[in-house]
Formats: sequence, structure tokens, C-alpha cells
Amino acid sequence: RKEVEQDPGPFNVPEGATVAFNCTYSNSASQSFFWYRQDCRKEPKLLMSVYSSGNEDGRFTAQLNRASQYISLLIRDSKLSDSATYLCVAGARAGTALIFGKGTTLSVSS
Amino acid sequence: GAGVSQSPSNKVTEKGKDVELRCDPISGHTALYWYRQSLGQGLEFLIYFQGNSAPDKSGLPSDRFSAERTGGSVSTLTIQRTQQEDSAVYLCASSFAGTREQYFGPGTRLTVT
Repeated sequence: RKEVEQDPGPFNVPEGATVAFNCTYSNSASQSFFWYRQDCRKEPKLLMSVYSSGNEDGRFTAQLNRASQYISLLIRDSKLSDSATYLCVAGARAGTALIFGKGTTLSVSS
Repeated sequence: GAGVSQSPSNKVTEKGKDVELRCDPISGHTALYWYRQSLGQGLEFLIYFQGNSAPDKSGLPSDRFSAERTGGSVSTLTIQRTQQEDSAVYLCASSFAGTREQYFGPGTRLTVT
């Protein structure tokens, strides 16, 4: 059972493009949602939390659709430095482990 | 401030040997997690410590794996009688009790020959 599913990609986009990633989660009891970024051979780093009302951080916008159980990440004006793997994460009640998706790979080229 | 630290950064061991991996969480973080990540794969949850509560060991793949957390701070993950399939990067993360946002250490790359 894949609890958090993502399209592995890769997504290959030119600089300045807008790109969107989606992920779905299977546990309807999930309450906490995040996007992490992982560079090659590095540890995951928290990119942003995902709130029910949607949230934006600079060029990054995250949205949550509880009815359809999916989470999205929109990156505007892509930079070369955005090239990485983006991990979608969902968690149920406090005291339980977060579940990580396998990630979507983004490659931004000049 | 200091982030999560892990040691060693790399460990090469022979099949059948025991290994210990160490994690030092961010000061004040009461929750600590261990994951492993095989090449090209996602993060696999292993074990979770929260304060003085009994740890959630549901992700440990076999009884060769164990972990402890002393004094609510440093944690050690022990793998006994290592097998080649144990080769992976072992990641530790910590968080405050009231939040779910986890911060990861740099990992220990374990290679079993």
C-alpha cells in the first residue's frame, strides 16, 4: 500500500517556467502535510508546511485538497537552484510517524 | 544554532558485524526519528521516540535492529549481524513536541560488504 504517492518525474523545465507537482495520500486521518526538498546525496530539508487554506512562500505555493486527498506544490519563475527532488509528506495524529512520498525530481535548465 | 548531528558520516562494515549509529538532536527537541533511505528510494520510517513515552518501533525491519535514547537526548541505532541489504543512508530527524516539522541530520552512509 502506497500511503503517499507522487509522480517520480523527472520534470525538465527551462529557467523561468512554472511547474506544479501533485501528490495523493491514502490515510484520511492525515492532519499534517509538508513539502521537503532533497538535493542529491543530501538530507531532506523542510521547504514548507501545507495548510488547509493554502499558503505561499515567495515563489512557492502549496495547497491541500482534503476531499480529494491531494497536496500540490507550485513553483513559479523556476531557478537553476530549484533542481532537486521534492518530497510530499503526510502525518496523522501527533505521536505517529510522518509518511514520506518517494519524491518528484525537478531539473531546471538554462 | 546547531542542527541535528550524526556520526559516523560513513561506515563500512563486513557482513555479520554489529554497528552503532549515533544521533544528537537539536537541543530542546523532544521527538526523535530514525529513517533509512536506500539508493533511489524513498524514506523508510524505522523508529520514533517522543519524550518519556514508549517508542514507536513499528518500522523496524527485523529484530536485528534496535534503538535507544538516553536522557531524552542522544539516540543510538544498533544493527546486529549486518546484512548486505542493510546498506543504506540512515537519517535521524528531530522536532519539537508540539509540531510535526522535522529537521534532519546529514545521515550515516552504511555499506555492508
